[in-house]
Amino acid sequence: GAGVSQSPSNKVTEKGKDVELRCDPISGHTALYWYRQSLGQGLEFLIYFQGNSAPDKSGLPSDRFSAERTGGSVSTLTIQRTQQEDSAVYLCASSLDAGWETQYFGPGTRLLVL
Amino acid sequence: GQQVMQIPQYQHVQEGEDFTTYCNSSTTLSNIQWYKQRPGGHPVFLIQLVKSGEVKKQKRLTFQFGEAKKNSSLHITATQTTDVGTYFCAPLLRGNKLVFGAGTILRVKS
Repeated sequence: GAGVSQSPSNKVTEKGKDVELRCDPISGHTALYWYRQSLGQGLEFLIYFQGNSAPDKSGLPSDRFSAERTGGSVSTLTIQRTQQEDSAVYLCASSLDAGWETQYFGPGTRLLVL
Repeated sequence: GQQVMQIPQYQHVQEGEDFTTYCNSSTTLSNIQWYKQRPGGHPVFLIQLVKSGEVKKQKRLTFQFGEAKKNSSLHITATQTTDVGTYFCAPLLRGNKLVFGAGTILRVKS
């Protein structure tokens, strides 16, 4: 079946603009995760969803970042008033359930803020 | 808080040499997963370890979970250019959450 998909694959925006990043998880996966990866760096956890609820938002860097998930499926990560330091690859992953289940990653959205 | 340390950060080996990356925790882990990310790609699950002292092999890759379940290692025998990438450990920590280590970047000279 289809894997995790993300859109857009690349996004170039101007500082101060808002952006929306989309993630389509694997069908039937209840858990969905967002990570940020700067060039050559590790994975920075942002937020995860169990169903439509977000039990852990501890990784969101600031109140400019928000995310939602609807219908237990698609998730959107929104960054308001983008800054240059927001430039990174944003990765989404899904798993059957939260916790120890294997995470399946999407290809990521490469965001560049000019 | 709970922390995971992965070492080394970077290793450059000659093709055919062995490679090992270590993941260390200050607390006992219930389980740990390993992922590989090829350059320009996304992380892909390799294996999960659950039992104390567990050893699992995948061809040239050997994964170990320490007896005290506080550390784990990934060893690659006779590296090949296809092994290039970043290897992440991801233990399950308090809060029932996988926490990814900083990763070890492996480069292989042919």
